[in-house]
Amino acid sequence: EAQVTQNPRYLITVTGKKLTVTCSQNMNHEYMSWYRQDPGLGLRQIYYSMNVEVTDKGDVPEGYKVSRKEKRNFPLILESPSPNQTSLYFCASSTRRGNSPGNTIYFGEGSWLTVV
Amino acid sequence: SQQGEEDPQALSIQEGENATMNCSYKTSINNLQWYRQNSGRGLVHLILIRSNEREKHSGRLRVTLDTSKKSSSLLITASRAADTASYFCGCDNAGGTSYGKLTFGQGTILTVHP
Repeated sequence: EAQVTQNPRYLITVTGKKLTVTCSQNMNHEYMSWYRQDPGLGLRQIYYSMNVEVTDKGDVPEGYKVSRKEKRNFPLILESPSPNQTSLYFCASSTRRGNSPGNTIYFGEGSWLTVV
Repeated sequence: SQQGEEDPQALSIQEGENATMNCSYKTSINNLQWYRQNSGRGLVHLILIRSNEREKHSGRLRVTLDTSKKSSSLLITASRAADTASYFCGCDNAGGTSYGKLTFGQGTILTVHP
């Protein structure tokens, strides 16, 4: 079954304590990205990756890091979390666009993060 | 309007009725994708419609795209209580470096009363 799997699904942490949210996809997709969803702001892209070892900033990258050492994994790292990073986070993946006008983007179940 | 702006913000109907949600965007798109999100859960992909397509169907769902008006609509026919959720349109913007990126609006909250 095609899946994008995130862990943890729920986390409460304290300000400044480094944390990592893992993301794994089993569809051999080239593109992966992270979004955060906030009330009144919708979903906004944090970082994206076009392939292994290729990452770039999205719309709201401040306070986050990512890495793409393997094709299937794309962890989101919060080096020093702050309360304004309390949000619902989604990992997403899709195949390379190529010459086609886009492909379906698959989302994980989401990770609820609370920073106190 | 912003890219991927849904309308109405909230819609309340009775079971069996049809629900229509609209999405408007500003800049050219490669495709537009509709998603459903149950409260606090992930986004479930419903339909992708490409810029050269005008209408697509999937079960009780019908999506139209009017590129001249830069708008799309999602119609759910014979709605059920289980259709209660938030619905989002995501715009895959043409050109640029929008790799695997969708721009979303705030969504439409649909409530279907039994």
